[in-house]
Amino acid sequence: GDSVTQMEGPVTLSEEAFLTINCTYTATGYPSLFWYVQYPGEGLQLLLKATKADDKGSNKGFEATYRKETTSFHLEKGSVQVSDSAVYFCALSDYTGTASKLTFGTGTRLQVTL
Amino acid sequence: NAGVMQNPRHLVRRRGQEARLRCSPMKGHSHVYWYRQLPEEGLKFMVYLQKENIIDESGMPKERFSAEFPKEGPSILRIQQVVRGDSAAYFCASSLHENTEAFFGQGTRLTVV
Repeated sequence: GDSVTQMEGPVTLSEEAFLTINCTYTATGYPSLFWYVQYPGEGLQLLLKATKADDKGSNKGFEATYRKETTSFHLEKGSVQVSDSAVYFCALSDYTGTASKLTFGTGTRLQVTL
Repeated sequence: NAGVMQNPRHLVRRRGQEARLRCSPMKGHSHVYWYRQLPEEGLKFMVYLQKENIIDESGMPKERFSAEFPKEGPSILRIQQVVRGDSAAYFCASSLHENTEAFFGQGTRLTVV
């Protein structure tokens, strides 16, 4: 079945540091890929998405490129802020393009300090 | 334009009791999804419903768990005879169509004591 593997946290960075959170996936079809963010005590919010190979999703300074050849969707940000501290989840949907039945990774907690 | 509303936000139940979790989707959304998040884990899909129909319940435990989405009113996730292992955050999401973005609620945190 489909699965998502992402790097374990927590990741601790100083403000303005460069962020990479690795995510790789296994899927039988052609999934859509997502990054969700969960702030403390909150539900998940969609951060960005990509629906086909070589697409780049971007939002709020975060970027991720859908790499079919390496089955990866790594999240990057050039300069993190304290307000970016949260748990980040990589996820995929099945080949039908259903954006709602999602398979999630286990999440990576990011802590940004001054 | 209210988002997905879940209640209660926190629920404490003793072992053996029943837990009822409610989810009101965004206005106009007729597709509802329930996910469970165990401590220190990612979200796991449980069930997908449309109005009055269960479309996919492949992630639902075979016993004690049930879900409904009636023609009128919120979607309900029901857990009978709760056990400590049911303690988790339960998230609901809704979408306008099957292949459009899902919006998540803030979740219900169930604690079984």
